[in-house]
Amino acid sequence: AQSVTQLDSQVPVFEEAPVELRCNYSSSVSVYLFWYVQYPNQGLQLLLKYLSGSTLVKGINGFEAEFNKSQTSFHLRKPSVHISDTAEYFCAVETGAQKLVFGQGTRLTINP
Amino acid sequence: DAGVIQSPRHEVTEMGQEVTLRCKPISGHNSLFWYRQTMMRGLELLIYFNNNVPIDDSGMPEDRFSAKMPNASFSTLKIQPSEPRDSAVYFCASRGGGYTFGSGTRLTVV
Repeated sequence: AQSVTQLDSQVPVFEEAPVELRCNYSSSVSVYLFWYVQYPNQGLQLLLKYLSGSTLVKGINGFEAEFNKSQTSFHLRKPSVHISDTAEYFCAVETGAQKLVFGQGTRLTINP
Repeated sequence: DAGVIQSPRHEVTEMGQEVTLRCKPISGHNSLFWYRQTMMRGLELLIYFNNNVPIDDSGMPEDRFSAKMPNASFSTLKIQPSEPRDSAVYFCASRGGGYTFGSGTRLTVV
């Protein structure tokens, strides 16, 4: 069965610093990969997705992620974060059964 | 489009009572998913439907939980009887090309 592991439960960074949120998945077949963001007391918003093609995927709010098949990773990056990026970030994989399985989430905290 | 609409936004109920959560998917989306979010377990898929038919309910925790989708524009998740450990945020999502999530229902069982 497919699974998703987010390696860091919390990531504190200073404003304008770069950030990387790590995500690894396990699957024996091709997968679709997603990153979602959840702001406090809100639902999940799609940041970006990898379906096929270029392994570097650009999303909203300046985020990007790189699909690495050999390392089964899909890490999320932003070169310079803002206070407004404070949120919980979820990596997810769509399985062959066409259902979305989420990682445990990474809480990103931006300090001034 | 108004997106995926969930109601109520908040629900506080006493242990033992029946709770019904509602979801209206995006028109034209043919798959609907119910998730539960807790601090301890994160986001768990409870059940999903394709074309109004339940496909996988392996995530439904107990017989106290049931879900229906009588038509393409409406789904319910019912808990009867409710227990304090059911307290969580319940999300509905629909898929039609991509996944769109509702704002969730925060359920508190006291």
